[in-house]
Amino acid sequence: SYVLTQPPSVSVAPGQTARITCGGNNIGSKSVHWYQQKPGQAPVLVVYDDSDRPSGIPERFSGSNSGNTATLTISRVEAGDEADYSCQVWDSTSDHRDYVFGTGTKVTVL
Amino acid sequence: EVQLVESGGGLVKPGGSLRLSCAASGFIFSTYSMNWVRQAPGKGLEWVSSISSSNSYIYYADSVKGRFTISRDNAKNSLYLQMNSLRAEDTAVYYCARGKVATIYDAFDMWGQGTMVTVSS
Repeated sequence: SYVLTQPPSVSVAPGQTARITCGGNNIGSKSVHWYQQKPGQAPVLVVYDDSDRPSGIPERFSGSNSGNTATLTISRVEAGDEADYSCQVWDSTSDHRDYVFGTGTKVTVL
Repeated sequence: EVQLVESGGGLVKPGGSLRLSCAASGFIFSTYSMNWVRQAPGKGLEWVSSISSSNSYIYYADSVKGRFTISRDNAKNSLYLQMNSLRAEDTAVYYCARGKVATIYDAFDMWGQGTMVTVSS
């Protein structure tokens, strides 16, 4: 089955840029979605289709996807961005169809 | 208000059954695909099952295939998950999530608050 690998944690100072990677075999050929989840809350979609933002999500959140790595970038990080972030793809082949989530990355704002 | 509200979670013994429900409101339920995602305590998100808007397509994770059944009633704006032969490893918060489109392949743009399922003797 398809595997998405994320770093367990990323630490960043307020005002700096956080980059969260999501690695997968030829992930650049798939559409990648990103979710933010704060403790005790449901996930929230922050980027879809590699780089699009849902309404209400700040422009500070952006995404890219190429080759074997997709990246979620959070610019001008704020204390409120501290959360777990997970990537997701739809993996469709001749013998299976699955949604796959990444292992998740905890972003800590120093 | 656009929202999803799950119900039906609880404590069940191994081998038991449980039926989760998800009540949708504030949008045209019949035009969206729907999904179940779970999260074991302290773990990441795990996709469980998806159903297209018109019931034409249904998919399951290998971990629940043959034990869980997803269904929907568009007239009642409701999504369901029938869980049979439950195991300890099924213990998790179960989220109902809306797909962005009618078919199954896109992101989940709205989530419920989740319902806890605990499988223990």
